[in-house]
Amino acid sequence: GAGVSQSPSNKVTEKGKDVELRCDPISGHTALYWYRQSLGQGLEFLIYFQGNSAPDKSGLPSDRFSAERTGGSVSTLTIQRTQQEDSAVYLCASSPGTGTIDTQYFGPGTRLTVL
Amino acid sequence: AQTVTQSQPEMSVQEAETVTLSCTYDTSENNYYLFWYKQPPSRQMILVIRQEAYKQQNATENRFSVNFQKAAKSFSLKISDSQLGDTAMYFCAFSSGGGADGLTFGKGTHLIIQP
Repeated sequence: GAGVSQSPSNKVTEKGKDVELRCDPISGHTALYWYRQSLGQGLEFLIYFQGNSAPDKSGLPSDRFSAERTGGSVSTLTIQRTQQEDSAVYLCASSPGTGTIDTQYFGPGTRLTVL
Repeated sequence: AQTVTQSQPEMSVQEAETVTLSCTYDTSENNYYLFWYKQPPSRQMILVIRQEAYKQQNATENRFSVNFQKAAKSFSLKISDSQLGDTAMYFCAFSSGGGADGLTFGKGTHLIIQP
């Protein structure tokens, strides 16, 4: 079946612009995760959704970052007033959400470059 | 907070050799889960193997096996009969279960398989 998909694959934007990154999880997966991968910080966990609910948003790097998930499926990560330090690969993962620990299946990521 | 340490930034071996990647972690939890993920240049993170901390038996998946030493908080990955397609970044990851905290990743080891 189809895996996790993310769009766009690459995004180049100017400092100060807003960007939206999209994640389409595997059909039927109720859990969804966002991570950021950068050279300096490695892989950082940003936020977790169970269904449409995100119980803890403290992993988001700043208040310029927000995420939502509607219909228990597609999720968007929005970065407002982008800064150069936001340049990174943003990875999304999904899991069935049925067990104590489910394997997370990752998408190919969105490479964001802020000029 | 948990930490994951991979002390080998890069390793290079000849095709068909056996290679071991190191990972140590720090946690005060008794039940948790450990993973090795592979990330080729395509950026797609692929699960290689997982281990539940309550299981004493080391996990094995074809050419991939782990040496899990719970007391030492060590979780190394052994790749037997290495192949050119094994060339990738390898990340060790920790989860306390439940999903809400996401995965905590190490900095990764770049493994190069030489022909």
